Amino acid sequence: AIRMTQSPSSLSASTGDRVTITCRASQDIGSYVGWFQQKPGKAPKLLVYAANTLQSGVPSRFSGSGSGTDFTLTLSSLQSEDFATYYCQQYHSYPLTFGPGTTVDIK
Amino acid sequence: QITLKESGPTLVKPTQTLALTCNFSGFSLNSYGVGVGWARQPPGKAPEWLAFIYWDDEKRYSPSLQTRLTITRDTSKNQVHLTMTNMDPVDSATYFCAHRLRGADLFDFWGQGLLVLVSS
Repeated sequence: AIRMTQSPSSLSASTGDRVTITCRASQDIGSYVGWFQQKPGKAPKLLVYAANTLQSGVPSRFSGSGSGTDFTLTLSSLQSEDFATYYCQQYHSYPLTFGPGTTVDIK
Repeated sequence: QITLKESGPTLVKPTQTLALTCNFSGFSLNSYGVGVGWARQPPGKAPEWLAFIYWDDEKRYSPSLQTRLTITRDTSKNQVHLTMTNMDPVDSATYFCAHRLRGADLFDFWGQGLLVLVSS
């Protein structure tokens, strides 16, 4: 199975900050990665697919980049509603696997 | 709009079989490219993908759970079913069903989730 790792595991930031989360795959997965946001007690929400394509309705302050094994999710200007846990997921091959998550909380 | 909702028992005993149903609306599982899947998430941990069923009735399972999982569909009722045999306390988690993003094995619409506790 392809293993996904994320860094950092958590970070503290303030509204207006630029935040970058990194995801690394254990083997080349091309651009077959998605990013999710999850708030407590809620289902994950798809933000980005194909590494850099914003899902419909997702604010443009979110962006994804990368290919191969290294990927990033960037929030250009953190808003209050962005404090949450973020997961990457590869869909290059079965089994589909998620990263362990990065929690963004208020500094 | 697309909606999904999970139903089933919230408490099962060890060794029992868990039977979950996903009722969905806003799409047809007979349409090309459409899929419905299941994932679970233990408290405080990352989601774990379990299974997919596709428009052509192809099925995919997590290899680590394949011997315990069965996914089926009833297109006339807009339902997808998941059974997991031989439940163990480590299987306690929130179970989600979700709609597949067309062209990619990612979930773009999720149900609210069902918290299942495995305990005697």
